Amino acid sequence: DTGVSQNPRHKITKRGQNVTFRCDPISEHNRLYWYRQTLGQGPEFLTYFQNEAQLEKSRLLSDRFSAERPKGSFSTLEIQRTEQGDSAMYLCASSPMWTGNTEAFFGQGTRLTVV
Amino acid sequence: AQRVTQPEKLLSVFKGAPVELKCNYSYSGSPELFWYVQYSRQRLQLLLRHISRESIKGFTADLNKGETSFHLKKPFAQEEDSAMYYCALGNAGNMLTFGGGTRLMVKP
Repeated sequence: DTGVSQNPRHKITKRGQNVTFRCDPISEHNRLYWYRQTLGQGPEFLTYFQNEAQLEKSRLLSDRFSAERPKGSFSTLEIQRTEQGDSAMYLCASSPMWTGNTEAFFGQGTRLTVV
Repeated sequence: AQRVTQPEKLLSVFKGAPVELKCNYSYSGSPELFWYVQYSRQRLQLLLRHISRESIKGFTADLNKGETSFHLKKPFAQEEDSAMYYCALGNAGNMLTFGGGTRLMVKP
């Protein structure tokens, strides 16, 4: 599968613990996005990278959330001191910069459950 | 602020019936609109975009700037069309704003 890959697929953690998710985009894609999706809702934008630069962050991304893309390839999303409200599906997407539009290719997501 | 509204959470039709999934948007600039689809146990994927003016799997969507709508239509629904459908608005920053989604169920 040469699409966007996310690991792990599922994560159960206790409240207060830190978690980290990884996203490997399609190899030639410059842009990488993180979205969060809660039950019954559409995905909500969290943050966006162009190569290694983080260009946009949503106000949904509290201080407990941090994302990195150190070499412009894979990205990590870390949540510190998890809360039950963080339980959601975390989606990663990537797109090539040259398409001139915002078509995004999505991974299968990481489902986080905070207990 | 940009917003996308899909008024129907669930749409149930019989096979062969016409389908219209509604989408309204709010955006001050020039909108870039998409329909994404998620089939059972699969990842979210692009169905069509307004800029291409294409028909994919028999689906079409026309951007109506006057009514700020981008409804998705198909004249004859098939069982394999059953899925979650999300309308999305793209901005200059390349982020997507999604609607809440409509679950389409096509009954035999």
